[in-house]
Amino acid sequence: GQQVMQIPQYQHVQEGEDFTTYCNSSTTLSNIQWYKQRPGGHPVFLIQLVKSGEVKKQKRLTFQFGEAKKNSSLHITATQTTDVGTYFCAAFMNSGYSTLTFGKGTMLLVSP
Amino acid sequence: KAGVTQTPRYLIKTRGQQVTLSCSPISGHRSVSWYQQTPGQGLQFLFEYFSETQRNKGNFPGRFSGRQFSNSRSEMNVSTLELGDSALYLCASSLRGASNEKLFFGSGTQLSVL
Repeated sequence: GQQVMQIPQYQHVQEGEDFTTYCNSSTTLSNIQWYKQRPGGHPVFLIQLVKSGEVKKQKRLTFQFGEAKKNSSLHITATQTTDVGTYFCAAFMNSGYSTLTFGKGTMLLVSP
Repeated sequence: KAGVTQTPRYLIKTRGQQVTLSCSPISGHRSVSWYQQTPGQGLQFLFEYFSETQRNKGNFPGRFSGRQFSNSRSEMNVSTLELGDSALYLCASSLRGASNEKLFFGSGTQLSVL
């Protein structure tokens, strides 16, 4: 079925380094959402991107939606230990109602 | 405003048993979705309910079922448990389940099947 591919699966960085996770779809997306799940926690909504080429920033986090609306990225500048967790992209693959399909996530580990 | 509440938090069952998990959405939210989370498969969609009707169903066997009550609370049931059903089961709510709405997740029920 339709799915959202996310890479890398895992990344380990030193505190202060940058981090990027990428999300790709074979089909055009109406929008894309990003969630963060801390270890032992549950996914928490970060942001939604809707427009082609959209870029949104939240402090050190920068989210981009591709021009073709088939890919997205999340970039963290100067990671901190509080950034540890798994980052998921998610998209509604069926028109209409709440069938939010998640990528498999990128687990970020930050060493002090 | 209280968040999404899931009970119980942890469950241990044996193969062949059945289990019922409960989810209370945020007040005013009428859409409830269920997800299964495992380390290998990530978050997989089970089903979504709105106004007591199942609107969407994921690719899971018929042993997985659910329902929603008039107060929007939802339950999911897994019958004839298998070892592979061990997972974190997450419930999420939103106002109407529209594609521009964000989901609010509960803390999940960690199910272990022995």
